[in-house]
Amino acid sequence: DAGITQSPRHKVTETGTPVTLRCHQTENHRYMYWYRQDPGHGLRLIHYSYGVKDTDKGEVSDGYSVSRSKTEDFLLTLESATSSQTSVYFCAISDLAGGIYGYTFGSGTRLTVV
Amino acid sequence: QKEVEQNSGPLSVPEGAIASLNCTYSDRGSQSFFWYRQYSGKSPELIMFIYSNGDKEDGRFTAQLNKASQYVSLLIRDSQPSDSATYLCAVKGNGGFKTIFGAGTRLFVKA
Repeated sequence: DAGITQSPRHKVTETGTPVTLRCHQTENHRYMYWYRQDPGHGLRLIHYSYGVKDTDKGEVSDGYSVSRSKTEDFLLTLESATSSQTSVYFCAISDLAGGIYGYTFGSGTRLTVV
Repeated sequence: QKEVEQNSGPLSVPEGAIASLNCTYSDRGSQSFFWYRQYSGKSPELIMFIYSNGDKEDGRFTAQLNKASQYVSLLIRDSQPSDSATYLCAVKGNGGFKTIFGAGTRLFVKA
C-alpha cells in the first residue's frame, strides 16, 4: 500500500484496556480516515481528519477517539476496549475533500478484544 | 433498507466470461460512485469511479451508472481467476465526508 502504513498489523488485547492504532502516510494528503470492517456491514467510518488537529466523528464513533498532531500521523484510540470492537481497522487517505476521487487504504489492523 | 445494497454472492463465472456486479443506493443526492476490489485478508483497492450517467471503461472494466434508477454496476470482461475477490460498491453524497460502502459481492472465477 504505497505511502500509507498501519501499525500494529495484529493485536490481541483484554477488555477494558486502552488501545492505540497508528496510521502513517508519506503522501502529504490532507484528509485521513479511520474505518472498521465487519462481516455483513461493509466499511463504516469511525472518525476522519481534514487537517492537523482538525477531526470529526463518523457514523460509529462511540468508544473511539482520534488525534492528528502531524500531517503524516493519524492515531485511533479505543479508550476502554470492548468485545464489540473486535474488527479489522483500515486507515484511508485522500488528497481531495471527502475522497471525491476515492481513497487509498492502508493494509489494516486486525484487533481482537478478549 | 441499507443505504448501499449489494448481493453478497458468491457470484461464480467461468474464465473468459463477463462478470456483472450490481449495486443500488438510496440517497438520490449521491454524486460519486466507486468500485473497490478486496482480496481475502487484504485492503480495498480502488478500481474505478464514475460521476455521470452512462458507461465508463477502463481496460477490462466498465462501470455503468443510472441515477434515475439509483443503481451502479461493474462489468468485468474476459474474467480471470485473478479477478476472484470481493467487490465493494461505495457511494458519496454531495459535499461532506460521507462515503457509504456496501457489504460487497464475492466473485469467483472458475478456471
